[in-house]
Amino acid sequence: DAGVTQSPTHLIKTRGQQVTLRCSPKSGHDTVSWYQQALGQGPQFIFQYYEEEERQRGNFPDRFSGHQFPNYSSELNVNALLLGDSALYLCASSLGGPAAGNTIYFGEGSWLTVV
Amino acid sequence: GNSVTQMEGPVTLSEEAFLTINCTYTATGYPSLFWYVQYPGEGLQLLLKATKADDKGSNKGFEATYRKETTSFHLEKGSVQVSDSAVYFCALSAPYNAGNMLTFGGGTRLMVKP
Repeated sequence: DAGVTQSPTHLIKTRGQQVTLRCSPKSGHDTVSWYQQALGQGPQFIFQYYEEEERQRGNFPDRFSGHQFPNYSSELNVNALLLGDSALYLCASSLGGPAAGNTIYFGEGSWLTVV
Repeated sequence: GNSVTQMEGPVTLSEEAFLTINCTYTATGYPSLFWYVQYPGEGLQLLLKATKADDKGSNKGFEATYRKETTSFHLEKGSVQVSDSAVYFCALSAPYNAGNMLTFGGGTRLMVKP
């Protein structure tokens, strides 16, 4: 049973560039969330996708956008990269959409460094 | 809004010592509470959870009790091992907040010495 898988594992981008991160949810899961974890801090919620729609969004600017595909996989896009966007980006999946209490499983993350 | 406060680390213990990592929360209603663990270079793993007051979550010798009266969810283990060295995150998910969004504390690094 495959868990949550993310790609790429590591990447380096230049300020102003755009980046796309990808996530495949755990088998059977239909809900995908994205979190940003800066070095030495706890993860912060970016947004959640269910039924191919953004259902909930955290306090992140519009430079952060996403998409969910019919097979439930998801992409996170960040435009006009800033140095402060350097972080570990975690994808999480769960079952059943916006219903609190469902167990959330995390991938190992994509390390983004902006130089 | 919702928030989680954890004791700051690092916490350094000798093997077989007793562990407590304090966690308190602020939330409207009755949140679900979680402890996640992050080993070096890895993503987050769910360690344990509790979904209502007085519930005790337990896993791998770790346990935490949902205390509504003190809004706390302290993590404990009777005898830590070197392999428990990791960063521990307390988190909550508020039921009124459609989206199953997790709010995390800042994390507590645990270092266990042989």
